[in-house]
Amino acid sequence: QLQLQESGPGLVKPSETLSLTCTVSGGSISSSSYYWGWIRQPPGKGLEWIGSRHYSGSTYDNPSLKSRVTISVDTSKNQFSLKLSSVTAADTAVYYCVRLYLPRGVVVDSWGQGALVTVSS
Amino acid sequence: SSELTQDPAVSVALGQTVRITCQGDSLRSYYASWYQQKPGQAPVLVIYGYNNRPSGIPDRFSGSSSGNTASLTITGAQAADEADYYCNSRDSSGNHVVFGGGTKLTVL
Repeated sequence: QLQLQESGPGLVKPSETLSLTCTVSGGSISSSSYYWGWIRQPPGKGLEWIGSRHYSGSTYDNPSLKSRVTISVDTSKNQFSLKLSSVTAADTAVYYCVRLYLPRGVVVDSWGQGALVTVSS
Repeated sequence: SSELTQDPAVSVALGQTVRITCQGDSLRSYYASWYQQKPGQAPVLVIYGYNNRPSGIPDRFSGSSSGNTASLTITGAQAADEADYYCNSRDSSGNHVVFGGGTKLTVL
């Protein structure tokens, strides 16, 4: 049973960088079939795609966030991470780490429990 | 703004059938996936591809697609089905992932 667990600070100051790590257990992050990504959900709002990365380096990003987002994969630790720079209050959200694959569509088949990150001074 | 459009809210009487739709030009080329999210919980995949259900999802959930519209149908809605439902797929370029705005399902 694949499990994903987010970790990182729950409070980030405006203009700083949000950093989250997702630890994967029950499966290998080096699987050729899957991408590893991040989705967020502001309080009371819908889901927003942030981006994803394959261990080989291929990515699917969100053009509106691309300039501020870095997603990296660490195969030695079976972890992947998100860095979002220059944050504002609008970046306050629950951040989910996910596993996905992209056949003729997009299938997000595993989700972490979510981590609430608040941007405030 | 999302390239996939969903009705914000839908209601259904207990035991009746409800259809939740997702519209977008990219759906003429790509399948939609559907996710159920209950309050305080992470979303759960309920339908993917051409009407496929992950293990553990009741068979009252089904999916279909026609033209630019994908649909999630719940046949014999239960109180436990009251939740937010999201569709997702690729955008028209095929290079990006998009979500619909979500539909809040109320079971009366």
